[in-house]
Amino acid sequence: KAGVTQTPRYLIKTRGQQVTLSCSPISGHRSVSWYQQTPGQGLQFLFEYFSETQRNKGNFPGRFSGRQFSNSRSEMNVSTLELGDSALYLCASSLGWTRGYTFGSGTRLTVV
Amino acid sequence: AQTVTQSQPEMSVQEAETVTLSCTYDTSESDYYLFWYKQPPSRQMILVIRQEAYKQQNATENRFSVNFQKAAKSFSLKISDSQLGDAAMYFCAYTAIIQGAQKLVFGQGTRLTINP
Repeated sequence: KAGVTQTPRYLIKTRGQQVTLSCSPISGHRSVSWYQQTPGQGLQFLFEYFSETQRNKGNFPGRFSGRQFSNSRSEMNVSTLELGDSALYLCASSLGWTRGYTFGSGTRLTVV
Repeated sequence: AQTVTQSQPEMSVQEAETVTLSCTYDTSESDYYLFWYKQPPSRQMILVIRQEAYKQQNATENRFSVNFQKAAKSFSLKISDSQLGDAAMYFCAYTAIIQGAQKLVFGQGTRLTINP
């Protein structure tokens, strides 16, 4: 059974650019969540999608957005990149909140 | 507010010995789940153990067990017979339905070193 797949694994972008990260959940998992991990702030919740609807959003500026497709694959977009957006972005999929979350290997974004 | 606190930024243990990682949490929800995740240098977050808040019995998974004290809002992880492969960052996490949506809240993590 394939796990959660995140692409790309590494990304280097210039300040002011925009970026799109992709997450393919485990087959059958309809909930997809995104997290930002930095040494200073730790793991912070970005948003959660279920059946193409954003159900919850963390405390991030509007430059961070996402969407989910009918096949449950999800993308997150960050516009007007800032140096502080450099982080590991993790995606997790779930069958339901009581079942636990399976994480991908993350996308390491570096903004220069 | 939902918060998870791990008071030990770093821990180290000799191979084959036992180590306990601490975690406390704060929640107003009555129905929730608690997890311990392991993140090795490969970055992949791996589920170690899960505890349902309504169950009094502590969860165990092979060498991993928890001490769940609901009244004290404490959820510690015990690793027995530590192995070199156990070296990683360990995150305590809590999940519940919050404002109609599921959300996973993490602690700051404990870096575990295994000394051979």
